[in-house]
Amino acid sequence: QVQLAQSGAEVKKPGASVRVSCKASGYTFSSYEINWVRQTTGQGLEWMGWMNPHSGNTGYAQKFQGRVSMTRNTSITTAYMEVSSLRSDDTAVYYCARSLGSPAWFDIWGQGTLVIVAS
Amino acid sequence: EIVLTQSPATLSLSPGERVTLSCRASQSVSSYLAWYQQKPGQPPRLLIYEASNRATGIPARFSGSGSATHFILTISSLEPEDFAVYYCQQRSVWPVTFGPGTKVEIK
Repeated sequence: QVQLAQSGAEVKKPGASVRVSCKASGYTFSSYEINWVRQTTGQGLEWMGWMNPHSGNTGYAQKFQGRVSMTRNTSITTAYMEVSSLRSDDTAVYYCARSLGSPAWFDIWGQGTLVIVAS
Repeated sequence: EIVLTQSPATLSLSPGERVTLSCRASQSVSSYLAWYQQKPGQPPRLLIYEASNRATGIPARFSGSGSATHFILTISSLEPEDFAVYYCQQRSVWPVTFGPGTKVEIK
């Protein structure tokens, strides 16, 4: 079946970086965009950006530009998101989500990856 | 950035009741609005897209309506598995934004 499987929870110190992976299966990886959405208690659901797995093109929300990078490895149908210069308010559950085009709806979501930023 | 406002924040209802949830946009999003359902410990699940189209596998008791700045999600008769948080999302303009959610809880 179509699914996105994310890497496990992470605990990081302020100022560090974190990379979350998202492995796609059950569909043609290059045919759908991968988006990243995070969920915090205070800010709710926040869209962070998208990546086209075929071209590698990306687009980031202004809030995260310069601090987030989205990449992929098509040979293993896996997308990655890296966030640098982590702060305590980056503590959140990070989701990858599939879309057809962008901006668009998100029809398939990963299970989420909890990232805790604490000293 | 388009701001989405959902009301009410919480609804306390019993199984079998009809539910009407509201989502308002700070400017017109045409029909480019979706609804999601989220249960604890799970990712959001797409229910409705383009304001009124049910996503694959979504029961007919879920329906969406509206356009421009005001949208409604209706659940015709609440089932026990429908108690959850519901979010709206617009894709009309960058960046994609979500509403704060409405929690539908058991009365």
